[in-house]
Amino acid sequence: DTGVSQDPRHKITKRGQNVTFRCDPISEHNRLYWYRQTLGQGPEFLTYFQNEAQLEKSRLLSDRFSAERPKGSFSTLEIQRTEQGDSAMYLCASSLRGLALKETQYFGPGTRLLVL
Amino acid sequence: KQEVTQIPAALSVPEGENLVLNCSFTDSAIYNLQWFRQDPGKGLTSLLLIQSSQREQTSGRLNASLDKSSGRSTLYIAASQPGDSATYLCAPYTGGGNKLTFGTGTQLKVEL
Repeated sequence: DTGVSQDPRHKITKRGQNVTFRCDPISEHNRLYWYRQTLGQGPEFLTYFQNEAQLEKSRLLSDRFSAERPKGSFSTLEIQRTEQGDSAMYLCASSLRGLALKETQYFGPGTRLLVL
Repeated sequence: KQEVTQIPAALSVPEGENLVLNCSFTDSAIYNLQWFRQDPGKGLTSLLLIQSSQREQTSGRLNASLDKSSGRSTLYIAASQPGDSATYLCAPYTGGGNKLTFGTGTQLKVEL
């Protein structure tokens, strides 16, 4: 499978615990995005990387959230001291930087987080 | 700040009907616009990308149009099938933020 993969697919945790999600982009893609989607809403942008550099972060990304892409390949998203409001689907997408007119983002299956 | 609205929020049609989903956006300075499909509890599948310089893009029974100056896009689905049942999301790509901005989607149900 050469698509975007995410792990785990589901995570249930207790409030106050830390969780970490992983995203593996399409192998030649140098851009990687994280989005969050709550029930009945469209995805909302969280952050994006170009290679290993984190170039933009949304105000939605509080101090409890941190994302890394250490070697410009896979990325991790960590949430510390989880709160019930963090319950959502976390989506990863990747793209190949090129002509902006044609840049297509490809999404993974998502990680569904439930904070009890 | 880009804002995206999709109308209708939900749509139920009998199999075989042609239908139109609407998307409007406030910031016309976009590079392209993508239409996605999302099945319940799943990730997003890219259906069509229409560049800002294009008026239309077609893939099979799907046709997307873009009127960038008025901030509108439509997705036309011909001869709908039960397998088309899903939520359809539009997302303009704003190069300044290098991100997609999504609407809340149109939930489509095609009945036998």
